[in-house]
Amino acid sequence: QSVLTQPPSVSGAPGQRVTISCTGSSSNIGADYGVHWYQQLPGTAPKLLIYVNINRPSGVPDRFSGSRSGTSASLAITGLQAEDEATYYCQSYDSSLSGRVFGGGTKLTVL
Amino acid sequence: QVQLQQWGAGLVKPSETLSLTCAVYGVPFSEYFWSWIRQPPEKGLEWVGEINHRGTTTYNPSLKSRVTISVDTSKNQFSLNLNSVTAADSAIYYCVRGAPPSRYCRGSTCYTRGPSYSFYMDVWGKGTTITVSS
Repeated sequence: QSVLTQPPSVSGAPGQRVTISCTGSSSNIGADYGVHWYQQLPGTAPKLLIYVNINRPSGVPDRFSGSRSGTSASLAITGLQAEDEATYYCQSYDSSLSGRVFGGGTKLTVL
Repeated sequence: QVQLQQWGAGLVKPSETLSLTCAVYGVPFSEYFWSWIRQPPEKGLEWVGEINHRGTTTYNPSLKSRVTISVDTSKNQFSLNLNSVTAADSAIYYCVRGAPPSRYCRGSTCYTRGPSYSFYMDVWGKGTTITVSS
């Protein structure tokens, strides 16, 4: 059972918008330590997609955006493309565990 | 360009010790923290622990009794030892760089370099598959 809760799967047609939620608690997301998102394509290492809630590293398309409110965070992907098919993970810090925690991952299927 | 190159024995016997090393190229070792993340087959990511250039470590509480992460700053390398392994420790192990946000605000306090809890994992090694089996 992951400390951060994500839906196991989401799907959308090319061109559509999808969102992936990440729900935590007052000891992690709610404490505003920063939520980060990673994209893992099949057979590859994860890649940083969003850092500290809303920031995109250089090279990440602006189709990807992040937000945070209270004890939850979300990743939105607009203009869905086939190449976005991957598993997405949220991550934060948890003060109760004194360590970093991940969500269980959400597999995105592009229909 | 930052590169993380990792190596270690891919097959470990139950009850023995898993050992991995990661070499860091192209970046000052002291400005970041250095983590190990693992991923069991067909499962999600799990933070194992981290270390900074001073050797200060933090471990996942669920693994703390079996994990040691060490650093060799003269070689820009850090290492993972996990003892008393079982099949549940079979996974892909990634060495990862943790970086501070250049600007970070929490409540009414803003920092030009984010505190350690705000660090994000921006560079990943390719991963080493570890199988625990006799």
